[in-house]
Amino acid sequence: KAGVTQTPRYLIKTRGQQVTLSCSPISGHRSVSWYQQTPGQGLQFLFEYFSETQRNKGNFPGRFSGRQFSNSRSEMNVSTLELGDSALYLCASSFLVTSYNEQFFGPGTRLTVL
Amino acid sequence: AQKVTQAQTEISVVEKEDVTLDCVYETRDTTYYLFWYKQPPSGELVFLIRRNSFDEQNEISGRYSWNFQKSTSSFNFTITASQVVDSAVYFCALSEAWPDKVIFGPGTSLSVIP
Repeated sequence: KAGVTQTPRYLIKTRGQQVTLSCSPISGHRSVSWYQQTPGQGLQFLFEYFSETQRNKGNFPGRFSGRQFSNSRSEMNVSTLELGDSALYLCASSFLVTSYNEQFFGPGTRLTVL
Repeated sequence: AQKVTQAQTEISVVEKEDVTLDCVYETRDTTYYLFWYKQPPSGELVFLIRRNSFDEQNEISGRYSWNFQKSTSSFNFTITASQVVDSAVYFCALSEAWPDKVIFGPGTSLSVIP
């Protein structure tokens, strides 16, 4: 069974640009969560999608958005990039709800904002 | 509000020593779930264990064991006879039944020295 895949693996952008990250969950998984990981803030929850609906959102500005498609693939978008957005963005999928199911994580997308 | 504390930022042990990673959580719910994840240097988080709030049985899996104590709101993780491959960052996480999101602790970086 293929794991969670994330593309691209590495990105370099400049301030003010926007970026789209992609995540393909494990086949059959309907829940996709996104996390931002930085040395200073650790792992922070961004949002979670289930059956194309955003069910939960973390404390991030509106520049961070996401969506999920009918095949459960998910994208997240960050507009007007800031230096502080440099981070490892992790996607995780689970079979149903994430609150009691284990999550399977992808390798992450390393975003560098210059 | 949910909160997870991992007071040990970094731990170094010599191979074959036992090591315990501490996790203290805060929640107002009576139904909640606790998790441990491992993030090796490669970066991909790996699920280790899930425990629900109604199951205080300790668990042992090979060299790994977990001690869940509701009275002290702790869910500690012990590695017996540590090995170099155990070197990683270990995250404790908490989720309540609702909202459906997982809150991660700051992580403990474990270095096992040969």
